[in-house]
Amino acid sequence: AQKVTQAQTEISVVEKEDVTLDCVYETRDTTYYLFWYKQPPSGELVFLIRRNSFDEQNEISGRYSWNFQKSTSSFNFTITASQVVDSAVYFCALSEGGSTLGRLYFGRGTQLTVWP
Amino acid sequence: DAGVTQSPTHLIKTRGQQVTLRCSPKSGHDTVSWYQQALGQGPQFIFQYYEEEERQRGNFPDRFSGHQFPNYSSELNVNALLLGDSALYLCASSKTATYEQYFGPGTRLTVT
Repeated sequence: AQKVTQAQTEISVVEKEDVTLDCVYETRDTTYYLFWYKQPPSGELVFLIRRNSFDEQNEISGRYSWNFQKSTSSFNFTITASQVVDSAVYFCALSEGGSTLGRLYFGRGTQLTVWP
Repeated sequence: DAGVTQSPTHLIKTRGQQVTLRCSPKSGHDTVSWYQQALGQGPQFIFQYYEEEERQRGNFPDRFSGHQFPNYSSELNVNALLLGDSALYLCASSKTATYEQYFGPGTRLTVT
């Protein structure tokens, strides 16, 4: 079973639109970590954010914001006023506690295209 | 401060051959993980090294092996290459298993 599901395969928006990328995870652990990474065409995964399971506060960083809701096992990512440079594949990932701590389970990614 | 570096950038091998990929972690990081990313897919965990030992392993055959050196750099070896091994191989480093992992640019392996 997929531990991380990103149901949106591709999203296209026009510059300055807001866009939300969905992520649903599945785990039985009480301690776990959630991540978002960006992968531009160059291929390198760029770390965006890490949240632990005990911190449900939403976070805002510039145009980026993250909504973590344990009740729905979701960790969604919103880009406000999107720009062409935001075009990339975005991955949500989960790291569980216990013996697999540090192993990242990735979703299949969402390809975001921002048109000028 | 140099980030995670990987070599080579690209590699073309023939089915049945062996390949070695290299990774240098970010300064101050002691844990190295390797991932395989097939085209259009998310990265899949291969294994993780800490203190020169394989700490955990994903669902990959024994053809995939690795090593970590005292300076924390790491190698990924793949024997008896198959066409299906063609992928982007990503190395990630972290301070401990709980911290965010920083990825290198990857090595694009093509098996013909």
